[in-house]
Amino acid sequence: DVKVTQSSRYLVKRTGEKVFLECVQDMDHENMFWYRQDPGLGLRLIYFSYDVKMKEKGDIPEGYSVSREKKERFSLILESASTNQTSMYLCASSLSPEPLHFGNGTRLTVT
Amino acid sequence: AQSVTQLGSHVSVSEGALVLLRCNYSSSVPPYLFWYVQYPNQGLQLLLKYTTGATLVKGINGFEAEFKKSETSFHLTKPSAHMSDAAEYFCAVSDRAGGFKTIFGAGTRLFVKA
Repeated sequence: DVKVTQSSRYLVKRTGEKVFLECVQDMDHENMFWYRQDPGLGLRLIYFSYDVKMKEKGDIPEGYSVSREKKERFSLILESASTNQTSMYLCASSLSPEPLHFGNGTRLTVT
Repeated sequence: AQSVTQLGSHVSVSEGALVLLRCNYSSSVPPYLFWYVQYPNQGLQLLLKYTTGATLVKGINGFEAEFKKSETSFHLTKPSAHMSDAAEYFCAVSDRAGGFKTIFGAGTRLFVKA
């Protein structure tokens, strides 16, 4: 079974902090995704990556950046956390352009 | 531009009753369509997908969905609900020509009453 592991289940950070969310997949998938999930809004794509060191902006990239130095790892970075970035963050990986395998999510609270 | 509308943010059914979760989409090209399920405190899990070919798609856990182009719909059904089906369900559409932009609906939470 494909495993997508997000390093933290819950995180609490202060406004202005730099925040790193880590995601690792074990199936050698080229494509990895970061989504944000908010009630009533479904999932919104922040960034995706289709190869090592390659990244593309999704629908809501403002305030975020990503890093993919190795194929199995895709990191989401909040440069300066703000309260409106309090949310559930989901990482996914896939061989296809659509996300197929999701991690369990990181619930981030920014105070 | 693609979009997905899930009708009903909450659906409640009795155990053993038919489950029907509605999804309508908008796409300028033939779409790829997906249903995902999210159990509490977990990520999303793919239930089923339609790409091309047969319009009735069978998925895991007894769920199926039918692609109806004329109605731009992709409704999810299960003949008999089980308590373990209680979860949130997301419909999604992908336009391969547009690259990696899979669009998700807002989700429908399914409640199953004993």
